[in-house]
This record gives sequence, C-alpha cells and structure tokens, in this order.
Amino acid sequence: GAVVSQHPSWVICKSGTSVKIECRSLDFQATTMFWYRQFPKQSLMLMATSNEGSKATYEQGVEKDKFLINHASLTLSTLTVTSAHPEDSSFYICSASERQGARPPQYFGPGTRLTVL
Amino acid sequence: AQTVTQSQPEMSVQEAETVTLSCTYDTSESNYYLFWYKQPPSRQMILVIRQEAYKQQNATENRFSVNFQKAAKSFSLKISDSQLGDTAMYFCAFMKQVRDDKIIFGKGTRLHILP
Repeated sequence: GAVVSQHPSWVICKSGTSVKIECRSLDFQATTMFWYRQFPKQSLMLMATSNEGSKATYEQGVEKDKFLINHASLTLSTLTVTSAHPEDSSFYICSASERQGARPPQYFGPGTRLTVL
Repeated sequence: AQTVTQSQPEMSVQEAETVTLSCTYDTSESNYYLFWYKQPPSRQMILVIRQEAYKQQNATENRFSVNFQKAAKSFSLKISDSQLGDTAMYFCAFMKQVRDDKIIFGKGTRLHILP
C-alpha cells in the first residue's frame, strides 16, 4: 500500500523556537494532505487541509500564524510550529490522499511527537 | 455538520472472545464512507475496515466485520476470535463521498485483550 513518512519522528525544543515537521508521500502523488493533532488518550483533531500550490485551509480555532503549512509539491507538505510553547507539545500526524485515487482512505504518517520545554 | 460518537471509552475482553465496539454518527449526507481505524501503542493509524454507505452488504475483513444500519446511523465493529495484537485504540470515522475530503473521527474506544 501507499506509504507516508514523517520527519522527525520526535523532537524536543526550547520554548520560543520554531520547529518544522515534514510529511512525504513516498510512492504516490498527493494533491491533498491533512494535518492532525492528538493529545494523550484523545482523538485526532484536524488542524488544516493543504492542497498543492495553494494556501492551507485551517479548522476553526487553529492559529494559522502559529501553525504554518506549506504544500510545495505533490509529495511534500510541511508544518512549522512557530514560537513554540509547552502547550504546543503534542503528537502531530499527517495524512495524504492520492491524486488519482477515486477511493478513500487517506494514508497516515507515523506521527511526530513534539515536546516543548 | 457531521458528528461521530463512540460511547465506550474503554473495554476489556479475554483472548479468543468476540467483542463489539459501538459507533453512531449524524449526517445529512446520503453518500459517504465509514471507517474503523486502529491505533496501536506505536500510534500508527491502521485502517481496519471501510464501508460505503450505498452498499447494503456489511463489510468484512477476516476477523473484523461491521454491522451497518444506515437508517439508525449506526456502525459497530465486531472482532471475532480476539488476539493480543488487537489491543489498541479504535476510532470510528466518517468521510463524505467527496474526493480529498476530511475524515472526522470519534473519540475512540480503548480495547484491551486480556491473556
């Protein structure tokens, strides 16, 4: 099946710094990628939807200036957490849907654990 | 707006037993997909089973089967002959039948398979 990778798998940073997380579709082209956030023992909450070459669509309550999303190519989307604070510590998961795929589902990456000190 | 409700936060069953996880949803759409995802301790999301709303026949995947009741907006997952490796968080999810649309997840049911 299709593979989605994320890098890094975990990251620890100091408060106030910015962190970039990459999401790559390894063997297919993804017109659309999704970014989710998951707190411990909770469900996945959609943060934003990104389409290749256009601005991301953010869910209500998600600060677009804090969570910068770039979908520069059909195989890469990045999430940058700017001026990170301890409350941004979470598990971030991306998913991607195939360009020519007429069926779901999305393919999920393995996630990135962010810890802000 | 679509909502997905899982009323069982946590369940435990003995190995080899059968367990059913409940899910209800609300939508005004007539065409959509329903999913059950498994998230083991590794936290990788794994698709367990998928159901297209237009199909009356319940989906099955080996030991996993669903009971899809469209009128009641119910979508339960049955795991037969449960195995220790089935221990995970299970999420019921909904997606409109629109390409590249978002998936809406329920809060999840944590399933423990006991030896």
